[in-house]
Amino acid sequence: GESVGLHLPTLSVQEGDNSIINCAYSNSASDYFIWYKQESGKGPQFIIDIRSNMDKRQGQRVTVLLNKTVKHLSLQIAATQPGDSAVYFCADAMEYGNKLVFGAGTILRVKS
Amino acid sequence: EPEVTQTPSHQVTQMGQEVILRCVPISNHLYFYWYRQILGQKVEFLVSFYNNEISEKSEIFDDQFSVERPDGSNFTLKIRSTKLEDSAMYFCASMIRDREAQYFGPGTRLLVL
Repeated sequence: GESVGLHLPTLSVQEGDNSIINCAYSNSASDYFIWYKQESGKGPQFIIDIRSNMDKRQGQRVTVLLNKTVKHLSLQIAATQPGDSAVYFCADAMEYGNKLVFGAGTILRVKS
Repeated sequence: EPEVTQTPSHQVTQMGQEVILRCVPISNHLYFYWYRQILGQKVEFLVSFYNNEISEKSEIFDDQFSVERPDGSNFTLKIRSTKLEDSAMYFCASMIRDREAQYFGPGTRLLVL
């Protein structure tokens, strides 16, 4: 669900395990989504994107799944590493003007 | 790999003062954006800029804010009279063409005292 302010959901995983980060969106007309990683004090870093004509897209160690029926996205990170520790945001790229509407974010903590 | 750059990295100013935040987008990109992030919160859209004019602006982007692309490389955000609540990280982003990914700069941390 939605989280506000400092109360971001946190996912703690052991190094080497797979991570799954979830995101829900509300606009059934949304057709383009982007996952960003944000490390402390830095700008959002592009990870992977997906358009609504796809259900799945794979990158290097990352996979994004899109379920349009329930308006849900997930980001899967394989063999999670300490360097993956960050806040992860999904963003909905609005059709007009392309402005990004960001989700609240999920903190990923990787334990060595 | 091309990057969006921003200056300064940190800016401290007194309430009521003007600030200009500067960005150099990726060189062949055509769409430009400013976002802000208040500490601990999510990133919020401020304004989009394409073809030398504002495409869209949020409610946050009131008359105290303006953007400019004074030459072929820089993209600036000006806040005319800063308020305490303007304290935030400000991110510039650019996009190569319509409906592609936006790439963000490292941000400017603005503190208004």
